[in-house]
Amino acid sequence: DAGVTQSPTHLIKTRGQQVTLRCSPKSGHDTVSWYQQALGQGPQFIFQYYEEEERQRGNFPDRFSGHQFPNYSSELNVNALLLGDSALYLCASSLEGDSYEQYFGPGTRLTVT
Amino acid sequence: GEDVEQSLFLSVREGDSSVINCTYTDSSSTYLYWYKQEPGAGLQLLTYIFSNMDMKQDQRLTVLLNKKDKHLSLRIADTQTGDSAIYFCAETADSNYQLIWGAGTKLIIKP
Repeated sequence: DAGVTQSPTHLIKTRGQQVTLRCSPKSGHDTVSWYQQALGQGPQFIFQYYEEEERQRGNFPDRFSGHQFPNYSSELNVNALLLGDSALYLCASSLEGDSYEQYFGPGTRLTVT
Repeated sequence: GEDVEQSLFLSVREGDSSVINCTYTDSSSTYLYWYKQEPGAGLQLLTYIFSNMDMKQDQRLTVLLNKKDKHLSLRIADTQTGDSAIYFCAETADSNYQLIWGAGTKLIIKP
């Protein structure tokens, strides 16, 4: 039973560039949430996708956008990268109806130079 | 807004019990969680408790919830070197999909 997978593992980008991160949920899960974890801090909620729509959004600018595909996998896109976007980006999946159990992937470490 | 607070560090001797504490402000919190993060790894769900419970035990882990004081604790019995990690407390309300997180408590094990 595959857990949550994310790609790539690490990424280095330059300020102003755009980046796409990918997530495949745990088998049987239909809901994907994205979190940003800066060094030494707890994760911050970016948004959650269910039924291919953004269901809830945290306090992040429109530069952060996402998508969910019919197979429940998801992408996180960040445009016009800033140095402050450097962080670990975590994807969590859950099953609608059991949404209190969120399982996390290993994350993508994004470095913006 | 909602806030979750934890001590940043806890140091215990191998074999002793570890008690990690957390306070939260959201009175509508429905679910409270403990996650474990090892270096370079993602977050592992350890356990969670519903707000209508006072205690939950799962092998070496005991969660205590004092809803009146908005205080949550995680006790790890017989702490081992493999328990070295950062432990995050998180909460969410029933009508909310996002988890609100503390900054994490780094558990240091002394031989």
